[in-house]
Amino acid sequence: AIQLTQSPSSLSASVGDRVTITCRASQGISSALAWYQQKPGKAPKLLIYDASSLESGVPSRFSGSGSGTDFTLTISSLQPEDSATYYCQQFKSYPLTFGGGTKVEIK
Amino acid sequence: QVQLVESGGGVVQPGGSLRLSCAASGFTFSSYGMHWVRQAPGKGLEWVAFIRYDGSNKYYADSVKGRFTISRDNSKNTLYLQMNSLRVEDTAVYYCAKYMRTTGTSGFDYWGQGTLVTVSS
Repeated sequence: AIQLTQSPSSLSASVGDRVTITCRASQGISSALAWYQQKPGKAPKLLIYDASSLESGVPSRFSGSGSGTDFTLTISSLQPEDSATYYCQQFKSYPLTFGGGTKVEIK
Repeated sequence: QVQLVESGGGVVQPGGSLRLSCAASGFTFSSYGMHWVRQAPGKGLEWVAFIRYDGSNKYYADSVKGRFTISRDNSKNTLYLQMNSLRVEDTAVYYCAKYMRTTGTSGFDYWGQGTLVTVSS
């Protein structure tokens, strides 16, 4: 199975900061990667698909980049409502796998 | 609008069985592959199972293979997860989710609200 390693596992940043989360795959997955945001008690929400495509309705401060084994999710200007846990997911091959998550807190 | 509504969760003893359902609406259910994903309390997301749009292909996580069965009834727009030989470690919120594309693989663009399964004696 393809393993996804996210870092950091948690971070604390101020409103307006630029935040970057990384996701590393144990083998190449081309651009078959998605990013999700999950708030407590809620289902995950798709933010980015195909590594860099922004899902409809998602604010443009979210962006994704990378291909192969190294990927990043960037929030260009952190907002209070961005406090959540973020997960990467590979859909290159089964079993599909998720990263361990990154909890983003607002200072 | 797209809706996925899970049901069937509850408390069950170890070794017991439970069947989850996911009622879909607002899209052509028979055209999309569907998934079950679970989340143990305080833990991350774990993909559980996939079924192709026509039910002809299924995949499972190793942790549930041989114990769980995914199925669908396209005439009823409903996805199922039959869970047998349940273990304490199967305790989780179970979500159903749909692929965003009708062909190949992709991210999951819609998720249900989740249903809690608790395995405890």
